[in-house]
Amino acid sequence: DAGVIQSPRHEVTEMGQEVTLRCKPISGHNSLFWYRQTMMRGLELLIYFNNNVPIDDSGMPEDRFSAKMPNASFSTLKIQPSEPRDSAVYFCASRLGAINEQFFGPGTRLTVL
Amino acid sequence: AQTVTQSQPEMSVQEAETVTLSCTYDTSESDYYLFWYKQPPSRQMILVIRQEAYKQQNATENRFSVNFQKAAKSFSLKISDSQLGDAAMYFCAYRSARLGVFQGAQKLVFGQGTRLTINP
Repeated sequence: DAGVIQSPRHEVTEMGQEVTLRCKPISGHNSLFWYRQTMMRGLELLIYFNNNVPIDDSGMPEDRFSAKMPNASFSTLKIQPSEPRDSAVYFCASRLGAINEQFFGPGTRLTVL
Repeated sequence: AQTVTQSQPEMSVQEAETVTLSCTYDTSESDYYLFWYKQPPSRQMILVIRQEAYKQQNATENRFSVNFQKAAKSFSLKISDSQLGDAAMYFCAYRSARLGVFQGAQKLVFGQGTRLTINP
């Protein structure tokens, strides 16, 4: 049974470029989460979807960040334009129901030069 | 807002010994979940153990157990018979048990992590 799939695993880009991170949740899961991990701020929630609808985007840093979930099996996190301070590991997680655990993907390490 | 604090940035233990990682949290809610996640060098976040706040009995998973003190808002992780494969960052996390799909309800709030080293 495949877990949460994220691509790419590593991304290096130059400041000002558009970056798109992708996530495929576990089949059947109805909640999807995007987290960011940095040394300074630790792990923090960026946005949370339930049944493909964004519920809590209070953690999205600014307008340069956007996330979509066009269907139950795919989500994207886009940064446009990217800045060096966006360098971090971005995790996607999914969950079935409201009380179960979240399963994390392997993360995407983003480096913005 | 809920906060989670891990006061030990680093810990080390001899292989086969026991180590305890500390975690405290702050919340005004009475019903919630607490978790310990392990993050090895591969970066994968792995759930180690989970505790429901309404349960008085401490959760155990093989060599891993917790000491949950609700009144003190303390949630420590004990690893018995430490193994080299236990070396990792360990994160304590909190989640509200409030049902429903509203802002803040479902997110995990993480501590800053404790780096655990196992000495052979």
